[in-house]
Amino acid sequence: KAGVTQTPRYLIKTRGQQVTLSCSPISGHRSVSWYQQTPGQGLQFLFEYFSETQRNKGNFPGRFSGRQFSNSRSEMNVSTLELGDSALYLCASSLDRGSYNEQFFGPGTRLTVL
Amino acid sequence: DQQVKQNSPSLSVQEGRISILNCDYTNSMFDYFLWYKKYPAEGPTFLISISSIKDKNEDGRFTVFLNKSAKHLSLHIVPSQPGDSAVYFCAASRPNYGNKLVFGAGTILRVKS
Repeated sequence: KAGVTQTPRYLIKTRGQQVTLSCSPISGHRSVSWYQQTPGQGLQFLFEYFSETQRNKGNFPGRFSGRQFSNSRSEMNVSTLELGDSALYLCASSLDRGSYNEQFFGPGTRLTVL
Repeated sequence: DQQVKQNSPSLSVQEGRISILNCDYTNSMFDYFLWYKKYPAEGPTFLISISSIKDKNEDGRFTVFLNKSAKHLSLHIVPSQPGDSAVYFCAASRPNYGNKLVFGAGTILRVKS
């Protein structure tokens, strides 16, 4: 079974631009979560989608948004990019059978904002 | 407010010996704990998990212990291998928060051959 895939793997943007990242979960997984990893803040939860609905949201500004499609694929969008948005963006998927769900991560998208 | 803490930034262990990675948490509502291993420029790899109804879970060379009263968990790797050298993260989740994970800052494990 294929793992979580994320595209693109690397991205360079300039301040003020917007960016869209894509995540394809493991087949059959309905929950997709997004995380941001930076050297200063570590791994921080952005949001989670389940059955095309946002189920949880972390403490990030409204410039960060996401969505999930009927095939469980998810995208996240960052508008009006700032230098501090440079980070590794990770997507994780879960089968979500109720409680105690293991999450499996993709390789990440490395975003650099110049 | 750091709810999950890994107080040791790094750990160095000789090949074949035991590696013990520690994690503390402050939120007593957490009921599910996971350990991940991460190499640079890759996503975290799931290793092992434990729910709050257990105090130990084993999977091959990896064992996780949970002490709820102390709000402490540890990951034991026996025997340690050079390929285990990576950053190890513990993470926690709580009921009614979906799959939101709160991560510790990570511990760099170096296994010397």
